Amino acid sequence: GDSVTQTEGPVTVSESESLIINCTYSATSIAYPNLFWYVRYPGEGLQLLLKVITAGQKGSSRGFEATYNKETTSFHLQKASVQESDSAVYYCALGAITGNTGKLIFGLGTTLQVQP
Amino acid sequence: EAAVTQSPRSKVAVTGGKVTLSCHQTNNHDYMYWYRQDTGHGLRLIHYSYVADSTEKGDIPDGYKASRPSQENFSLILELASLSQTAVYFCASRQGANERLFFGHGTKLSVL
Repeated sequence: GDSVTQTEGPVTVSESESLIINCTYSATSIAYPNLFWYVRYPGEGLQLLLKVITAGQKGSSRGFEATYNKETTSFHLQKASVQESDSAVYYCALGAITGNTGKLIFGLGTTLQVQP
Repeated sequence: EAAVTQSPRSKVAVTGGKVTLSCHQTNNHDYMYWYRQDTGHGLRLIHYSYVADSTEKGDIPDGYKASRPSQENFSLILELASLSQTAVYFCASRQGANERLFFGHGTKLSVL
């Protein structure tokens, strides 16, 4: 089936350190999957961090990057230097490019704690 | 920026009682969704709708009903709440099937 697996949290890093949150996916019923990272800051709803719809492309936002790798079915989230304000829950998600559902399949979420 | 408002923000319900979670969006989006999140699970789709007066089952619809009386409003109804329905519920909307989702803040439901 279709699924998303991501780094199990919580992940704790110190401010200015680098970060990688792993995400791998299985898209057996989706011919051309879109890949997303959503973020949920404390007390808020989820919001889109970045999106990539073409294999081989990289998305970036707020210093975060993720590359859609079809060969390894991965979409890892990276940041060179994290800030305390990056503390949040990060969700990798998989979606179909067509169809009425527009459904996204989410990973469990990875809680990131950045220590000052 | 699209706005999705959920109410209530939190609720305590008794087993067997009826619970209604409400969602309102102000950007004329066609699609609306209800997800739930539990410990050990990612967000899972309960019901969705892509037009007013019509709802569709998601991946885990059992025990839930949905209502879309207008483009702006989408409710989730638990006719007989159960302990297993304790979770955080998120409403979301989007314009097209492959556009970004806009989420509400979530409703924390505790069934006792």
